[in-house]
Amino acid sequence: KNQVEQSPQSLIILEGKNCTLQCNYTVSPFSNLRWYKQDTGRGPVSLTIMTFSENTKSNGRYTATLDADTKQSSLHITASQLSDSASYICVVSDRGSTLGRLYFGRGTQLTVWP
Amino acid sequence: EADIYQTPRYLVIGTGKKITLECSQTMGHDKMYWYQQDPGMELHLIHYSYGVNSTEKGDLSSESTVSRIRTEHFPLTLESARPSHTSQYLCASTKSSGELFFGEGSRLTVL
Repeated sequence: KNQVEQSPQSLIILEGKNCTLQCNYTVSPFSNLRWYKQDTGRGPVSLTIMTFSENTKSNGRYTATLDADTKQSSLHITASQLSDSASYICVVSDRGSTLGRLYFGRGTQLTVWP
Repeated sequence: EADIYQTPRYLVIGTGKKITLECSQTMGHDKMYWYQQDPGMELHLIHYSYGVNSTEKGDLSSESTVSRIRTEHFPLTLESARPSHTSQYLCASTKSSGELFFGEGSRLTVL
């Protein structure tokens, strides 16, 4: 069964600290993996998208890594800010169809305290 | 900035009412989607469309219906709302199998 599991479920850190969010997936055949940021009451916004051949991709203070062999991805946030408080969702796409079916994780709820 | 818009953002209605959630995008995307999201849970696909006059049901059983008469417009309708329909509904679109752009969501509460 194709699944996407994220950990931790929630995380509280102090402003300025770094953190790493994890995503494990069993989706096959793999097409790409995306990380989204969803502020409370808003729609998700894309942070990164990674294909099979990419190991690391950065977007400002966000750095995503992908290990396609172990089917794991991480999202590292550097020097956290209060505005980083949000849910971070891992989404994996398969190659099973032209549409590319999407599998969503439940998200990690990150809270940054001053 | 994604040019995809949802209205209303918030809606509180009584049981049995008919409602339509609107979704429009100005990016010329052919593929559009409706997702349902409950707190702490993953997004569930309820409807999608490959283009005009093409609509399909998603994974999650839903009593809602959709239409795609124009490329930019993908409304979702509930003929008779029930408390079990209380949820957040997210509309999204994409040009191909690339980046998915989401609207801000419509939070529906059925009393």
